[in-house]
Amino acid sequence: DGGITQSPKYLFRKEGQNVTLSCEQNLNHDAMYWYRQDPGQGLRLIYYSQIVNDFQKGDIAEGYSVSREKKESFPLTVTSAQKNPTAFYLCASRIGQALNQPQHFGDGTRLSIL
Amino acid sequence: AQSVTQPDIHITVSEGASLELRCNYSYGATPYLFWYVQSPGQGLQLLLKYFSGDTLVQGIKGFEAEFKRSQSSFNLRKPSVHWSDAAEYFCAVDGGSNYKLTFGKGTLLTVNP
Repeated sequence: DGGITQSPKYLFRKEGQNVTLSCEQNLNHDAMYWYRQDPGQGLRLIYYSQIVNDFQKGDIAEGYSVSREKKESFPLTVTSAQKNPTAFYLCASRIGQALNQPQHFGDGTRLSIL
Repeated sequence: AQSVTQPDIHITVSEGASLELRCNYSYGATPYLFWYVQSPGQGLQLLLKYFSGDTLVQGIKGFEAEFKRSQSSFNLRKPSVHWSDAAEYFCAVDGGSNYKLTFGKGTLLTVNP
């Protein structure tokens, strides 16, 4: 079955450490997204990518970095500059540029600070 | 800029009762609207979507939503709630040119037996 795989499901970060969250999709979707979810805050967009080798900052990009070297992969790095990284991170993808196509979501990664 | 408001943070209903979750959006042109559901510790699952045409749209799990342009609303309804419907529900609007969805802050649904 096609879908989006996020790994790991749980991740712990030490102070001053960078960590990378994996997102892989086999839906052949062009666009991919990273969201951060905090209780009572809904979903906030961190970064998005419409095509390979191109990505744009979302609403809360500070302290995060991404790459899009392959169509199926869009890893997110939470850097030490992100002072409050504890959250639930969701990756999503969409088939193309048409606005009437929904985003499909992975099952998320929960990041906590040790 | 587009925005979405879900006025109810938490709703509790009894199993078998009807349900309506409210969603108001702000967008200058015809919006593309979505409802998603999230179970604890899981990702978001698409319930239904509205793009154009019939203003009453049917979704999965017995849900429906009605688009009312005059009220800038897209409320989600279900005639009889099941215990398995307990989850968090998110309304979203997509109307820009940069493929961004704007989400409401969600409504947590509790179902009493």
